[in-house]
Amino acid sequence: NAGVTQTPKFQVLKTGQSMTLQCAQDMNHEYMSWYRQDPGMGLRLIHYSVGAGITDQGEVPNGYNVSRSTTEDFPLRLLSAAPSQTSVYFCASSVGLLGEQFFGPGTRLTVL
Amino acid sequence: KNEVEQSPQNLTAQEGEFITINCSYSVGISALHWLQQHPGGGIVSLFMLSSGKKKHGRLIATINIQEKHSSLHITASHPRDSAVYICAAHSGSARQLTFGSGTQLTVLP
Repeated sequence: NAGVTQTPKFQVLKTGQSMTLQCAQDMNHEYMSWYRQDPGMGLRLIHYSVGAGITDQGEVPNGYNVSRSTTEDFPLRLLSAAPSQTSVYFCASSVGLLGEQFFGPGTRLTVL
Repeated sequence: KNEVEQSPQNLTAQEGEFITINCSYSVGISALHWLQQHPGGGIVSLFMLSSGKKKHGRLIATINIQEKHSSLHITASHPRDSAVYICAAHSGSARQLTFGSGTQLTVLP
């Protein structure tokens, strides 16, 4: 099993550009989530999904969109990048809401 | 909203020392997770517990539901234990985890 994979590992964008961060898992997990990690702050939830076709907002959803067309994939879209979105992004999955969390390796995004 | 506080923020220890990292939360929870973030950035799950105590190798996690407090202990610490340790609480009514800001542990040889 590859576990949770994320691409790209690094990305530099200019303000106003859009992009999609990819996340995939091969463990048949229902629950997937996107977090951002900023210095001095805990991981903060952006969006999550409890199954294919079902998504919901987390703590900091503004400026991001998600969709879940399959169990395996959960892409995160930045609609119009802003410097405030410079962060490290982690995707995670688990069997259920309370299950052991499996994290991807992260994507380091810089918005100029 | 559940507030999760970790202490200390930074901890430096000598190899072989017994280490304790603390986590407090403000509302009742269904489960508490301890995670380890390696210097390279990857995050792995160490423990998930809702009561009592769990042990894995040199790591021990305990939780006191009444006190709203959990501890992570590392026995016979080693430089390879150097990492950021993060606790995260899951409230029964919330569909998400609330994370502490992490404890940076450095173990010196």
